[in-house]
Amino acid sequence: EIVLTQSPATLSLSPGERATLSCRASQSISSSLAWYRQKPGQAPRVLIYDASNRATGIPARFSGSGSGTDFTLTISSLEPEDFAVYYCHQRSNWPRTFGGGTNVEIK
Amino acid sequence: EVQLVESGGGLVQPGGSLRLSCAASRFATFTFSSYWMTWVRQAPGKGLEWVASIKHDGSDKYYVDSVKGRFTISRDNTKNSLFLQMNSLRAEDTAVYYCARGGGTPDIWGQGTLVTVSS
Repeated sequence: EIVLTQSPATLSLSPGERATLSCRASQSISSSLAWYRQKPGQAPRVLIYDASNRATGIPARFSGSGSGTDFTLTISSLEPEDFAVYYCHQRSNWPRTFGGGTNVEIK
Repeated sequence: EVQLVESGGGLVQPGGSLRLSCAASRFATFTFSSYWMTWVRQAPGKGLEWVASIKHDGSDKYYVDSVKGRFTISRDNTKNSLFLQMNSLRAEDTAVYYCARGGGTPDIWGQGTLVTVSS
């Protein structure tokens, strides 16, 4: 099983600031990584797929990078709706796995 | 509009069974029978856990180790529906269960149904 480790667990920032979230895989997964945002009481929504591709309707402030074992999600300027929990997810191998999440909270 | 609607959750005793359903609503913008489908769960206050996926025609199925032998994923493409039969339920199966489109990067999710396993 591929283990995804996200860091930090919590990120405290102010609106307008830049957020950088990390996801590390226990073995190489090429570019088979997605990022999701989950707001309280809602289902997750895909932001980035295949490491760097924005999903339909996702604004340009979200960008993803990385390949192999190290991946980054960057939010260039935090909007109020971006204060939420973010998960990475790999589709390289079965079983599929999610990271433990990063909570982006208002400072 | 909600495209996937889960149902069947509820309170069940340890060792009991429950069958979850997920139906593509009339607002669904995709052809259900053309896509892999997936169940993902989330225990209260915890992160996401992938549970199982099934190929578009039902010929391939994958499960997380913790549910193998207890849960069965299936689908009925004539009814645009996905199912999760859950047997021998344990307290640790308590979670919101989401169905989602896709076996790689699930991109359309339902709102979830809560399963509580408790005596």
